[in-house]
Amino acid sequence: TQLLEQSPQFLSIQEGENLTVYCNSSSVFSSLQWYRQEPGEGPVLLVTVVTGGEVKKLKRLTFQFGDARKDSSLHITAAQPGDTGLYLCAGAYNNNDMRFGAGTRLTVKP
Amino acid sequence: DSGVTQTPKHLITATGQRVTLRCSPRSGDLSVYWYQQSLDQGLQFLIQYYNGEERAKGNILERFSAQQFPDLHSELNLSSLELGDSALYFCASSVGPSGTHNEQFFGPGTRLTVL
Repeated sequence: TQLLEQSPQFLSIQEGENLTVYCNSSSVFSSLQWYRQEPGEGPVLLVTVVTGGEVKKLKRLTFQFGDARKDSSLHITAAQPGDTGLYLCAGAYNNNDMRFGAGTRLTVKP
Repeated sequence: DSGVTQTPKHLITATGQRVTLRCSPRSGDLSVYWYQQSLDQGLQFLIQYYNGEERAKGNILERFSAQQFPDLHSELNLSSLELGDSALYFCASSVGPSGTHNEQFFGPGTRLTVL
């Protein structure tokens, strides 16, 4: 059973389009991380958010943590083929109990 | 390259067998985490060691065990293997004891196939 629900599960878009993926839980996170994983490789950390309502930007990526710290979103502007990959969110429920969502598999077509 | 190394990269074995996966953390990192990634279950946290001691336990089966050695490398032992154990096994490391507030660096993974 996934404690974190990520949506959509799959997303295929054209280069230049914008997109948003979501990470939701019924539980409150003490912190939340977003990772990107490419085929054959391990996940790579993109960002950690800690404060409810926090917004962080990383170039064309915007990460938002919900006010209640139960949800998060990742928005990509003007997607590029290099953004293709599996986007995972990971939420911390207690001091060290971290759970990953199943991920959103993004394909950006040239 | 994250600095975390895992061996072997691929492993094919039969049901009922036992295998050992090895992980060397980044230089200076004291924590090692093990994860299992399968298509239907996503990335599942198994266990964490910090400076040689078990720190956190996740969805690790009793048939699985791990340890962290004085030189900080870690091994994950999988025994009485079943078909459902086929998956990618990732090791990650971090500087501090908290996987939630320290960045985890993931290795390239070991792909285990149980026939």
